[in-house]
Amino acid sequence: ETGVTQTPRHLVMGMTNKKSLKCEQHLGHNAMYWYKQSAKKPLELMFVYSLEERVENNSVPSRFSPECPNSSHLFLHLHTLQPEDSALYLCASSQRHGNTIYFGEGSWLTVV
Amino acid sequence: GQSLEQPSEVTAVEGAIVQINCTYQTSGFYGLSWYQQHDGGAPTFLSYNALDGLEETGRFSSFLSRSDSYGYLLLQELQMKDSASYFCAVNSGNTPLVFGKGTRLSVIA
Repeated sequence: ETGVTQTPRHLVMGMTNKKSLKCEQHLGHNAMYWYKQSAKKPLELMFVYSLEERVENNSVPSRFSPECPNSSHLFLHLHTLQPEDSALYLCASSQRHGNTIYFGEGSWLTVV
Repeated sequence: GQSLEQPSEVTAVEGAIVQINCTYQTSGFYGLSWYQQHDGGAPTFLSYNALDGLEETGRFSSFLSRSDSYGYLLLQELQMKDSASYFCAVNSGNTPLVFGKGTRLSVIA
């Protein structure tokens, strides 16, 4: 138990579906992140929220849409995804400018 | 830009010692972290070095040389459960951690 909880753990969706990934942190952190992890690739930072404001968006396609309603919750809304978007999506949290981030267990996404 | 280099795979024998190296190039540097990730699991924090030298935590130690832009993770008395991927990550201050591609460690009997 890392203090960062992600749901669902596994998701299969069609290219025309709309789904959302949810993340909740119980660590009192004020920064939250979405990372994408594909096979044989480094962790790719997608979005960063600090004090509930999006501070970084690393050229992520618009079919991924993040939402941070408060400092404890983070969502990733998915629509019209492509098969190459199949990956492990990791949520993480930290103190702003902290040197340690805490990851959730991840959501395995398969796009068919 | 920022980049980190670490070996993609390492194999070692149970009970042995293994060293995983990491070299980095960054525009700013506050410290080097190491994370462990088992298959199907989340990356978990192992250690952080802000200053030169060796930090020891049980069987794991991490070393940093800021002048050489180099660090390593040392695992002693290897156990089968240590088979996992190990990532180094750089803290550049105002930006989120930048991760290396990871080193897959296989511990064999």
